[in-house]
Amino acid sequence: DIQMTQAPSSVSASVGDRVTISCRASQDISTWLAWYQQKPGKAPKLLIYAASNLHSGVPSRFSGSGSGTDFTLTISSLQPEDFATYYCQQGNTFPPNNFGQGTKLEVK
Amino acid sequence: EVQLVDSGGGLVQPGGSLRLSCEASGFIFSSYAMTWVRQAPGKGLEWVSSISTLGDGTYYADSVKGRFTVSRDNSENTLYLQMNSLRAEDTAIYFCAKVLVQGGYYFDYWGQGTLVAVSS
Repeated sequence: DIQMTQAPSSVSASVGDRVTISCRASQDISTWLAWYQQKPGKAPKLLIYAASNLHSGVPSRFSGSGSGTDFTLTISSLQPEDFATYYCQQGNTFPPNNFGQGTKLEVK
Repeated sequence: EVQLVDSGGGLVQPGGSLRLSCEASGFIFSSYAMTWVRQAPGKGLEWVSSISTLGDGTYYADSVKGRFTVSRDNSENTLYLQMNSLRAEDTAIYFCAKVLVQGGYYFDYWGQGTLVAVSS
């Protein structure tokens, strides 16, 4: 099984900050990676797929990069509604059965 | 508009059974693989099971294999998860999700979740 490791597990930031979250796969997954956002009590939402493709309706301040084993989610200018938990997920194989452990983005 | 509505959760005793449902609308249900993902209280996301478009391919996490069965009724646009021999560690919110295939495999739309609590 492919293991996904996110860093950091939590990060504190302020509105307007630039924030980056990292995700590492235990083996090469090309660009087959997704990022999700989850707010308390809500279902996750797909933000980015195939490492850098923005899902429909997702604001352009979100971007993704990386390939192989190392990936990054960047929020260019943090907005109040962006405080949430973010998960990466490998999409290299079916079923896509591995998520990262999550990164909680908190208010500084 | 794509909609997935999860239902069927509840409180059940250890060893009991539940059947979860996920009603889909707004897309051609029979054309997409589907998945169940769960989230234990205060924990991260855990993939549980996936099913192919026709239902002839089913996949399970080791933690539920032999106890859970995923199925679908394409005529009713509904996904199911039959959960037997439930354990305390199965307590979680269960989400269904639609599988997006764009090179890789991702979950582009999710149900709102249904809570399963296993306790005596």
